[in-house]
Amino acid sequence: DGGITQSPKYLFRKEGQNVTLSCEQNLNHDAMYWYRQDPGQGLRLIYYSQIVNDFQKGDIAEGYSVSREKKESFPLTVTSAQKNPTAFYLCASWPGTVNQPQHFGDGTRLSIL
Amino acid sequence: GEDVEQSLFLSVREGDSSVINCTYTDSSSTYLYWYKQEPGAGLQLLTYIFSNMDMKQDQRLTVLLNKKDKHLSLRIADTQTGDSAIYFCAESGAQGGKLIFGQGTELSVKP
Repeated sequence: DGGITQSPKYLFRKEGQNVTLSCEQNLNHDAMYWYRQDPGQGLRLIYYSQIVNDFQKGDIAEGYSVSREKKESFPLTVTSAQKNPTAFYLCASWPGTVNQPQHFGDGTRLSIL
Repeated sequence: GEDVEQSLFLSVREGDSSVINCTYTDSSSTYLYWYKQEPGAGLQLLTYIFSNMDMKQDQRLTVLLNKKDKHLSLRIADTQTGDSAIYFCAESGAQGGKLIFGQGTELSVKP
């Protein structure tokens, strides 16, 4: 079945470490997105990519980095510059047709040790 | 900038109807979506409505859109305990793609 796979489901980071969250899709979607979810704040856009080798900052990009070398993959790195990284991270993809919704993965929960 | 607002909590009894409300500010919104999130999971699309429609019904779900007041609602008929979750409304602009989400409404269904 087609879908979006995020891994790992749970991730722990030590102070000063960079960590990378994986997002893979086999839906053949052009656009991919990373959101951060905190309790009571909904989803906030971190980065998005509309095509391979191109990406744009969202509303809260500071302390994060991404790459889009393949259509299927959009990894997110949480750097040590992100001072409050504990959150639930959601990856989504979109086929590029205006009447089609975004599809979401099951998320990665990142915690600080 | 664009903004989407929802109340944070709603509690209903099993068998009652639930109504979750959402207001938005972007008048160029093309599609408005309702997503459901169960604990520890991603977002599951429930339904969506095009901005030139007033109402959409899909089994137990009814979406009402008042474009003049920029108000969207989701009604769940005969609410069940399995409907307990967080419900997000989201809007997309004319080009689609980027979504603006509300804060989510946590629906609690009591037996």
